[in-house]
Amino acid sequence: QQQVKQSPQSLIVQKGGISIINCAYENTAFDYFPWYQQFPGKGPALLIAIRPDVSEKKEGRFTISFNKSAKQFSLHIMDSQPGDSATYFCAASISTSYGKLTFGQGTILTVHP
Amino acid sequence: GAVVSQHPSRVICKSGTSVKIECRSLDFQATTMFWYRQFPKQSLMLMATSNEGSKATYEQGVEKDKFLINHASLTLSTLTVTSAHPEDSSFYICSANKMNTGELFFGEGSRLTVL
Repeated sequence: QQQVKQSPQSLIVQKGGISIINCAYENTAFDYFPWYQQFPGKGPALLIAIRPDVSEKKEGRFTISFNKSAKQFSLHIMDSQPGDSATYFCAASISTSYGKLTFGQGTILTVHP
Repeated sequence: GAVVSQHPSRVICKSGTSVKIECRSLDFQATTMFWYRQFPKQSLMLMATSNEGSKATYEQGVEKDKFLINHASLTLSTLTVTSAHPEDSSFYICSANKMNTGELFFGEGSRLTVL
């Protein structure tokens, strides 16, 4: 019940295109849903996060869509750039200990110039 | 922004030896620190949660006698991999909750290779 399932495993997008990564969770106690970007050999960096009281959050080119009833959330990267090529992880936690994250399996994004 | 530093960033050791990895919050005090392990091309798996001055809480399946965690101050947590074996080779990443705000910051990770 702690699992967070992420898809696709890998994604190739042309420069300027939209990258979409999806996650689904099982534990209804989760109430904090961040997305992280990780470059090879580096720690993950927070991109954007959402709580279930809103259905969408946008920060620059990054948007999270959240569907509480379906227990799903997704990351949209608009105007994808080659510099966005990285591994993206969704995660979830319970706000009383929101640093205790359960991560999805990761998506390797490649943006071709 | 707040910085979490890990040292060493890379370490190679012989099988059977112990290795200590430090996680420091450089410009803030951390109420809680977390240790994750990441195998190549895999996700991050939480190993343990540590609070300053108390024993770490380990996730199911993580051997507490093999992965010793000490959280001696509000800015430092250490992970010691005891009697390391090749299967312990992994990327170890810490994160820290900033006191008062609760913001979470990740370190840059430490690559352990056991020969």
